[in-house]
Amino acid sequence: DTGVSQNPRHKITKRGQNVTFRCDPISEHNRLYWYRQTLGQGPEFLTYFQNEAQLEKSRLLSDRFSAERPKGSFSTLEIQRTEQGDSAMYLCASGPGQGSNEQFFGPGTRLTVL
Amino acid sequence: GNSVTQMEGPVTLSEEAFLTINCTYTATGYPSLFWYVQYPGEGLQLLLKATKADDKGSNKGFEATYRKETTSFHLEKGSVQVSDSAVYFCALSDQSNDMRFGAGTRLTVKP
Repeated sequence: DTGVSQNPRHKITKRGQNVTFRCDPISEHNRLYWYRQTLGQGPEFLTYFQNEAQLEKSRLLSDRFSAERPKGSFSTLEIQRTEQGDSAMYLCASGPGQGSNEQFFGPGTRLTVL
Repeated sequence: GNSVTQMEGPVTLSEEAFLTINCTYTATGYPSLFWYVQYPGEGLQLLLKATKADDKGSNKGFEATYRKETTSFHLEKGSVQVSDSAVYFCALSDQSNDMRFGAGTRLTVKP
């Protein structure tokens, strides 16, 4: 399977704990995006990488959230001191760039904060 | 800022009915427009796209035309099938790289 993969698919945690999600993009894609999707809503942009550089961050990305893409391949999204309002589906997408703004999405990680 | 407004659901149709899901957008400049589909238990899949005014995107019998004069990108299909049951998202992307999505429209097709 050469699509975008995300791990874990589901995460249940207690309020106040830290969680980390991983995204593996399509191998030749240099752009990587993180989104958050809550029930009944469309995905909301969180942040974007061009290779290893984080180029944009949404105001939705509070200081408890941090994303990395250290080698320009896979990316991690960490949420510190989770809150119940963080419960959502976290989506990763990758894109080829080079004049194309298409994005290809992974299956998502569903986070439940108790 | 950029935004997308799409028809609220849910939409329930009988098999072989005609489908329209309305989508309008607000954007500065000339964004690309997309329709994504999310089948139950799966991730978002790109259904079709259009990159400039008057372009028509099409795939799997679905079509949408980029109408700059009405800032619309309505999704249509002439004859829906049960397998088309899913949530459909209209989206736009400009040079800022983040993609803006509508709230989604749930379609249920009954046999």
